[in-house]
Amino acid sequence: QSALTQPPSASGSPGQSVTISCTGTSSDVGGYNYVSWFQQHPGKAPKLMIYEVTKRPSGVPDRFFGSKSGNTASLTVSGLQAEDEADYYCTSYAGSHTYVFGTGTNVTV
Amino acid sequence: EVQLVESGGGLVQPGRSLRLSCAASGFTFDDYAMHWVRQPPGKGLEWVSGISWNSGNIGYADSVKGRFTISRDNAKNSLYLQMNSLNAEDTAFYYCAKGSTTMVRHHFDYWGQGILVTVSS
Repeated sequence: QSALTQPPSASGSPGQSVTISCTGTSSDVGGYNYVSWFQQHPGKAPKLMIYEVTKRPSGVPDRFFGSKSGNTASLTVSGLQAEDEADYYCTSYAGSHTYVFGTGTNVTV
Repeated sequence: EVQLVESGGGLVQPGRSLRLSCAASGFTFDDYAMHWVRQPPGKGLEWVSGISWNSGNIGYADSVKGRFTISRDNAKNSLYLQMNSLNAEDTAFYYCAKGSTTMVRHHFDYWGQGILVTVSS
């Protein structure tokens, strides 16, 4: 159960796009389409942004886009806004009723 | 409105035990799996444990296996985490999270506000 690998930080100017990678193994990210992404602002609980690799919960802007290739999942945020500045975590089902989180990425706008 | 309220946190000495509770409301509790996730202050998220709707399927992170026990009481709309043999590495905010289906494998969608557990002498 090793943590999924994310870049520690990412940044972009308002209106630009940023992509965050999430690298695991064939036992987690590559083996299941149960990858989710959470946004966390300081002092707040995480908020679900993407589930099952590409799906957005109602209320999440379509500026947030999820994808996966092999053992790496990605979250792209387009049209960056100031409110997108937060920590982002990926997570994946890892089999045997277990989950694993990514190391987290701090996005600066 | 989904509400998850954690309780039972606080300061505990190394080697001792603590039991966390999560009171759920705003949804049909026994229709969903539930999870515990923790976050050491200033650090990243770590999944701790998950339990299916009927307690038939349970999983633990390697870091807590054999020390922590997850359980639920569907009649009381409550989730629990019994934590034994606590050490300093267990110091964290503990979040209760609601699954999106009956099964552990599916994503979790709503989170509580978290409760702090501090393990220190």
